Order: sequence, then structure tokens, then C-alpha cells
Amino acid sequence: GAVVSQHPSWVICKSGTSVKIECRSLDFQATTMFWYRQFPKQSLMLMATSNEGSKATYEQGVEKDKFLINHASLTLSTLTVTSAHPEDSSFYICSARGERAPYEQYFGPGTRLTVT
Amino acid sequence: GQNIDQPTEMTATEGAIVQINCTYQTSGFNGLFWYQQHAGEAPTFLSYNVLDGLEEKGRFSSFLSRSKGYSYLLLKELQMKDSASYLCAAMDSNYQLIWGAGTKLIIKP
Repeated sequence: GAVVSQHPSWVICKSGTSVKIECRSLDFQATTMFWYRQFPKQSLMLMATSNEGSKATYEQGVEKDKFLINHASLTLSTLTVTSAHPEDSSFYICSARGERAPYEQYFGPGTRLTVT
Repeated sequence: GQNIDQPTEMTATEGAIVQINCTYQTSGFNGLFWYQQHAGEAPTFLSYNVLDGLEEKGRFSSFLSRSKGYSYLLLKELQMKDSASYLCAAMDSNYQLIWGAGTKLIIKP
């Protein structure tokens, strides 16, 4: 099956700093990538949808200036958490979808962010 | 609005069978997904149904009734490693997944 990687798998940063998370599709071209956030014991919450070469579409309540998403190529999307605060500590998961099977999403392994 | 409902938690015994139900309401429908998620890990794909009926895949089966907006995931011969959260997600007309809150399945020896 298709493989999606995320880097880093976990990160600890100080409040006020920025953190960049990378999501890569390794063996297929991802026309669409999704960024999710998941708090403990809760389900996935979609943050934004990004299509290669265009601006991301953010879900209601998600600050686009705080969570910067760049989908610069068909294999790479990045999420930058700017001026991170402890409440941004969460599990961030990306998923990718290709043109071949628009109904399939392949998930990355997730990034655990802890802001101190 | 769009909504997915599934039980919060279920408990079953090792070796037994368990059925996890899911009801959905979406704007358009392009299929129903089941994912398994172990604590601290990303979801992994289990099944996809777009037509009515039962899809069997080893110990796991998934059923869909489009007219009733209903699906279930059936797990047979339960093993301890099946302890996880099971996420139901319906794909709407824009190919966007609408997620349920997940069902935490606890397997007891």
C-alpha cells in the first residue's frame, strides 16, 4: 500500500517558538493532503485540507495564521505551528490522497508535539 | 448537518465476537470507512464499503446499509491485540471524511 511519512515523530519546544512538521508521500503523488489534530481520548479533528500548489482550506475555528500549511509539491506538505503555546500540545497527523483512488486516505504515523 | 454516531466504549472477551455499530448523516455519500487506532499511533485502514452488503476480510467484516445510514464492523475470534479504538468515517460528496468519535474496544482475557 501507499506510504506516508511524518517528521519529526515527536518534538518538545518552548512556548513562543515555532515548530515545523513535514508530511511526505513516499511512493505516490498526493494531490491532496489533510492535517488532523487529536487530543487524548478524542477523535481526529480535521484542521485543514491542502491541494498541491494552492492555498490550504482551513476548518472553522482553526487559525490559519497560527497553523501555516504549505503544499509545495506532490509529495510534501508542511505544517508550521507558530508561536506555540502549551494548549497546542497534541498529536498531529497528516494523511494523503492521490488521484488514482480519491476515496482512499493514507495516514502518516503522527507527530507528538509538547509545548513547555 | 453532518454527523457520525458510534458507541464510546465496548468490552468483549478474548475469542468472542463483537459488533461495533455506526450511523451516519452526510451531504452526499461516497463510502464508509473503518479505521483501527492503537493508543499513541495513527489510524490504520480496515475497510471501505460503498455498496450495500457485507465485506469480509479475515477476522474482520464490515456491513453497510445506505438506505438506513448504518454500518457495522464485526470482529471475530477476538485477540488481545484487537484492543484499540475503532473509528467510523463517512465520505461526503466532496470526498471529505466525516469522523466519528471512535469506539474504544477493551478485550478481557
